[in-house]
Amino acid sequence: QQQVKQSPQSLIVQKGGISIINCAYENTAFDYFPWYQQFPGKGPALLIAIRPDVSEKKEGRFTISFNKSAKQFSLHIMDSQPGDSATYFCAASKYNFNKFYFGSGTKLNVKP
Amino acid sequence: GAGVSQSPRYKVAKRGQDVALRCDPISGHVSLFWYQQALGQGPEFLTYFQNEAQLDKSGLPSDRFFAERPEGSVSTLKIQRTQQEDSAVYLCASSPNRDRGPSGANVLTFGAGSRLTVL
Repeated sequence: QQQVKQSPQSLIVQKGGISIINCAYENTAFDYFPWYQQFPGKGPALLIAIRPDVSEKKEGRFTISFNKSAKQFSLHIMDSQPGDSATYFCAASKYNFNKFYFGSGTKLNVKP
Repeated sequence: GAGVSQSPRYKVAKRGQDVALRCDPISGHVSLFWYQQALGQGPEFLTYFQNEAQLDKSGLPSDRFFAERPEGSVSTLKIQRTQQEDSAVYLCASSPNRDRGPSGANVLTFGAGSRLTVL
């Protein structure tokens, strides 16, 4: 059973547009939600992360929105650029556990 | 080194062969993780070390998979009698913390992975 469900599987956005990727989870014990960015041939790299005590976190063009009651969180990429073209993974972990559960990934293609 | 180094980057094995994948974590990092990433999927947890102690091996798919970190630095993931379903990218990640850092996060730095193809 997949612990974290991610959608869409792929996304095409025009340069300057907003990219939105969604994730949902069931386990209320999760309390840390990172997003990772992965380029072909590379390992995932941490992009931004959020704890459930806040509803939004913004770092530059990247924003996480978190809805604790709905058990959903999303990544928004503002002013999307061709260099943002990559696969994005959401993840979740429990307090004091070091195991991360990853979503299935979203392949983002930003058209110039 | 500056990052997590994994070798070999690519490995082709015939079904039934044994393989060994190596991970050099960032120097001084306490925690080390192995993940398996099938084509088009997210990474799936295999095992976790804190220094030389293997604290969680719940993700290892079968007893053909074995991991070690004898001196608390370099780690090796060994797969015996490889099967076609073992074909995947094996990712290693390390973290400086035993558990959550001050921000409440355990920030993982991943290597580029070892791509295993079993024919």
